[in-house]
Amino acid sequence: DTEVTQTPKHLVMGMTNKKSLKCEQHMGHRAMYWYKQKAKKPPELMFVYSYEKLSINESVPSRFSPECPNSSLLNLHLHALQPEDSALYLCASSQDLASGSAYEQYFGPGTRLTVT
Amino acid sequence: GQSLEQPSEVTAVEGAIVQINCTYQTSGFYGLSWYQQHDGGAPTFLSYNALDGLEETGRFSSFLSRSDSYGYLLLQELQMKDSASYFCAFLNTGKLIFGQGTTLQVKP
Repeated sequence: DTEVTQTPKHLVMGMTNKKSLKCEQHMGHRAMYWYKQKAKKPPELMFVYSYEKLSINESVPSRFSPECPNSSLLNLHLHALQPEDSALYLCASSQDLASGSAYEQYFGPGTRLTVT
Repeated sequence: GQSLEQPSEVTAVEGAIVQINCTYQTSGFYGLSWYQQHDGGAPTFLSYNALDGLEETGRFSSFLSRSDSYGYLLLQELQMKDSASYFCAFLNTGKLIFGQGTTLQVKP
């Protein structure tokens, strides 16, 4: 099973709402990632978790809060977002952060987020 | 600095061969990978070249020349379903950095 699942597929939220994006993988991967992707642009890394610990935070605003409850799950908590945060949010996983493994990432289908 | 350059668009006809080039600039280079992304879909891993040379996977091949800081993705026997965006990427301090992507349009 090489599947990464994400819920919800679509999310519309107001600027005062709090919502969460969820990601799950059952490949036994120990590295998990959150990316943000705008239309016609490449994915941009937001956070990296390795063995359930936050390894990289790409200076993401605090209105985005990641959480890794266990090795299979990754959440992204959203609060007080801005309209410019509207994008496709992609979760990915890889075996670990060793260079050969990290090159091969498996992406979920993404959550298309619209902030109104 | 770190950068990857690839053409923004490429057009080819069904059954043809197309090459998507990628030049890069970085320190601490560990290899180059390629991803495919269909409109509205997720990026899908295609290949990884750690060493110089050609790696073949079915209709797709990827090439790397570390001395030239250059790689390419070769797609053979193009099919309509190959119409997608293709990204080259390298790893830097644990982060996968993507090129801006090449949109491939396959025409009948």
